[in-house]
Amino acid sequence: DIQMTQSPSTLSASVGDRVTVTCRASQSINNWLAWYQQKPGKAPKLLIYETSTLESGVPSKFSGSGSGTEFTLTISSLQPDDLATYYCQQYNTYPLTFGGGTKVEI
Amino acid sequence: QLQLQESGPGLVKPSETLSLTCTVSGGSISTHYHWGWIRQPPGKGLEWIGGIHYSGNTYFSSSLKSRVTISVDTSRSHFSLRLTSVTAADTAVYYCARRRNGSGYDWGQGTLVTVSS
Repeated sequence: DIQMTQSPSTLSASVGDRVTVTCRASQSINNWLAWYQQKPGKAPKLLIYETSTLESGVPSKFSGSGSGTEFTLTISSLQPDDLATYYCQQYNTYPLTFGGGTKVEI
Repeated sequence: QLQLQESGPGLVKPSETLSLTCTVSGGSISTHYHWGWIRQPPGKGLEWIGGIHYSGNTYFSSSLKSRVTISVDTSRSHFSLRLTSVTAADTAVYYCARRRNGSGYDWGQGTLVTVSS
C-alpha cells in the first residue's frame, strides 16, 4: 500500500498568514493527489484534485503543487473560516490512502 | 446537484454484520464513476474502506478486505456496504462518496455507527 505522510500534524498560525501543508507519498503517485478540508462535525470537502486543479467554487486562496512523491497545499491568507483539518489522498493506486491530517489552528 | 445519503442502523452488536446503504440523487449511478466508502473513528483520521467502479470492479482496503462487500443496485440508485464480524474498533462515522474520473471524492454527510452490546 502507498503510505501518505502529512506534516505538520498541527499548525498554529495567525489571520493573514501564508500557510503550507506537506504531503509525502511512499512511492510516485503521478500527480493523482487530492486535498480535502474537514471542518468540525462536517464531512470532508474536496478542495483540489490532480495535485493543483481547484475544485469548482473553491476560493483561489487555496493552491496545490508538487510532483512524484512530494506535494503541498498552500493557503495564501489564512482566515478564521479556514479553521479545519486538511487531508491529502492519493488515487493513483488501489487501495486508495489518506494522509493522517493537518489540523490548522488560528 | 449530486446528493449522497447514508442510511442504516446506528448501533450494531459485536460479531454481527454492519450494513449501510448510500442513496444517490441528482445524478445517475450508472455512469462512469467510482463509488466509495470511507470511515472516520471518533477523533481520528480518514480511512478508505473500498469502492466499486461503474464497470463492477471492486477494490478494498488491505486491512478490511476479508470482511467487506460493496455492491451497486442501479435499479434503486444506491450502493451498499457490508462489514462482517464487527468489533468496537469498527465504531466510526461512515461516509459514502463519489469519485469522478481523475478527480477526488464528493461526500455524503456521514452516519455514525457504534458497535456495542
